[in-house]
Amino acid sequence: KNEVEQSPQNLTAQEGEFITINCSYSVGISALHWLQQHPGGGIVSLFMLSSGKKKHGRLIATINIQEKHSSLHITASHPRDSAVYICAASVNTGNQFYFGTGTSLTVIP
Amino acid sequence: DAGITQSPRHKVTETGTPVTLRCHQTENHRYMYWYRQDPGHGLRLIHYSYGVKDTDKGEVSDGYSVSRSKTEDFLLTLESATSSQTSVYFCAISEVDTQYFGPGTRLTVL
Repeated sequence: KNEVEQSPQNLTAQEGEFITINCSYSVGISALHWLQQHPGGGIVSLFMLSSGKKKHGRLIATINIQEKHSSLHITASHPRDSAVYICAASVNTGNQFYFGTGTSLTVIP
Repeated sequence: DAGITQSPRHKVTETGTPVTLRCHQTENHRYMYWYRQDPGHGLRLIHYSYGVKDTDKGEVSDGYSVSRSKTEDFLLTLESATSSQTSVYFCAISEVDTQYFGPGTRLTVL
């Protein structure tokens, strides 16, 4: 069993659509992370959150600690949002990480 | 990018040869990690280091060894490369509960 599960695995959307990617975890976390990886590219951190909600531009991340669930939302999606989005849980005061397998998002113009 | 570089960025090698990948950081971070990324799998931890000469195994450590003789360098060695070690390798550091990743090394073992 994976400590971090993401859904869906693949997602195709039309430009302008509202997108939601889900993440469930089974471990006790110190923080939940959302990462972005463009094709052939490196991995960048989008959000780190331990409660509530964070917003950066068109991206919103939420977490429900009681339900061990987090969501990443993209409003008014754009083709440049096409990437793999990875959920990760940090445990043990932040020095051990578990990763989901990623959600591959394609936004069609 | 937290000053993380990896070398080489691409490598093709033959089965049975030794390979060493280098991760270099410029900001004195204590924790450094090596991951591999394969289709259908999340990032999987190979080894990590919590200080100079202090290292520990991750979930997929078989066939890999590491060394950290200086704070800034974390080396990953494949003693005798196999085709199953064809992968993209990422180095990372952690700072205040966040990980920062290097650009990755694409390794192909023929």
